[in-house]
Amino acid sequence: DAGVIQSPRHEVTEMGQEVTLRCKPISGHNSLFWYRQTMMRGLELLIYFNNNVPIDDSGMPEDRFSAKMPNASFSTLKIQPSEPRDSAVYFCASSPGTDPEAFFGQGTRLTVV
Amino acid sequence: GQNIDQPTEMTATEGAIVQINCTYQTSGFNGLFWYQQHAGEAPTFLSYNVLDGLEEKGRFSSFLSRSKGYSYLLLKELQMKDSASYLCVRSGNTGKLIFGQGTTLQVKP
Repeated sequence: DAGVIQSPRHEVTEMGQEVTLRCKPISGHNSLFWYRQTMMRGLELLIYFNNNVPIDDSGMPEDRFSAKMPNASFSTLKIQPSEPRDSAVYFCASSPGTDPEAFFGQGTRLTVV
Repeated sequence: GQNIDQPTEMTATEGAIVQINCTYQTSGFNGLFWYQQHAGEAPTFLSYNVLDGLEEKGRFSSFLSRSKGYSYLLLKELQMKDSASYLCVRSGNTGKLIFGQGTTLQVKP
């Protein structure tokens, strides 16, 4: 398996634009996590899906952020409109139901100018 | 994040032993992970403790005390490549993973 795949790896966008980050979890994993990492705040959990259903979205900063998981092999995190303070590395991770270990993708480095 | 406390930075010498401590909130606790993250890379899994005691895996060992809300990661025979951030991660009853701020370990020759 290729592991968790995220795209794009890098994204530079202007303030006010819509940004969509994509994630393909490891096949067979039923939990998916979106994290944001900054120097100031470390790794923050944004949202957590189990069997494609959002279980906990209490970490989503505000209404500008939304996440979907239309099927077991794909998830998106959307920011609309984007702001400079959204600049961070966004990680997607997945885990199988029988093993709590989470496997991380390589992350998307987002820069909003 | 959510009452996970670990030191911000540590320095150790190549070949030595270092212990990184972590305390966490015990309510709703399920298990405790340690992850390693090199600069510019994704976190990678090191260990997972559910029961009290010491789990050994090669040069790395992890300890858990559920009643005390305490864990540590022990790194033996330190190598230069062990320079990284070490993240204490609390797993709750719902499977939610909450990461600490991480301890940046610098290994010096």
